[in-house]
Amino acid sequence: DAGITQSPRHKVTETGTPVTLRCHQTENHRYMYWYRQDPGHGLRLIHYSYGVKDTDKGEVSDGYSVSRSKTEDFLLTLESATSSQTSVYFCAITSSRNQETQYFGPGTRLLVL
Amino acid sequence: EDQVTQSPEALRLQEGESSSLNCSYTVSGLRGLFWYRQDPGKGPEFLFTLYSAGEEKEKERLKATLTKKESFLHITAPKPEDSATYLCAVRVGGSEKLVFGKGTKLTVNP
Repeated sequence: DAGITQSPRHKVTETGTPVTLRCHQTENHRYMYWYRQDPGHGLRLIHYSYGVKDTDKGEVSDGYSVSRSKTEDFLLTLESATSSQTSVYFCAITSSRNQETQYFGPGTRLLVL
Repeated sequence: EDQVTQSPEALRLQEGESSSLNCSYTVSGLRGLFWYRQDPGKGPEFLFTLYSAGEEKEKERLKATLTKKESFLHITAPKPEDSATYLCAVRVGGSEKLVFGKGTKLTVNP
């Protein structure tokens, strides 16, 4: 258990609405990641963070922004949600004890109507 | 472009029937190959990391192997509780990104 929680776990929203997903970790890990998982695709990296206020883009970052003002929280924001952003979103961390391996949270299921 | 391909997409086995899942990759500078297990509605659960050709890792009924072009996840005498989707991912040198395959959905019938 990597001590990762995600909130909310499920959300239904409407097109054009802003949405923020939260990833919270309790073990002071430096690296945090946001992925999305869709049928027919592997997990794809959206954004990641390598420290407070230090973030970088992944392969599918368009339409998403992130913030990390505290070590324990990594927020993913959809500024204006679209139906193509309906997905399952996973947060991951790289353990301080094993810096090569990513451990995943339980996921947030988002439906954009 | 870095790519990871898993086969088969789905596999049905009878309890006790051993088999293997394949993960082939084309990447520039492998920095690690990872196997995860994912149950429906849950996040991926880490199984193994392999770093160099010839390396093997074992856990209960699972054994992962690595060559220069592919990895195999061997499942010996599977049980119904081994049913899950198995994901393969690679980390490329100089990058924090994991490139995932689409997974193999394994069903083990009693």
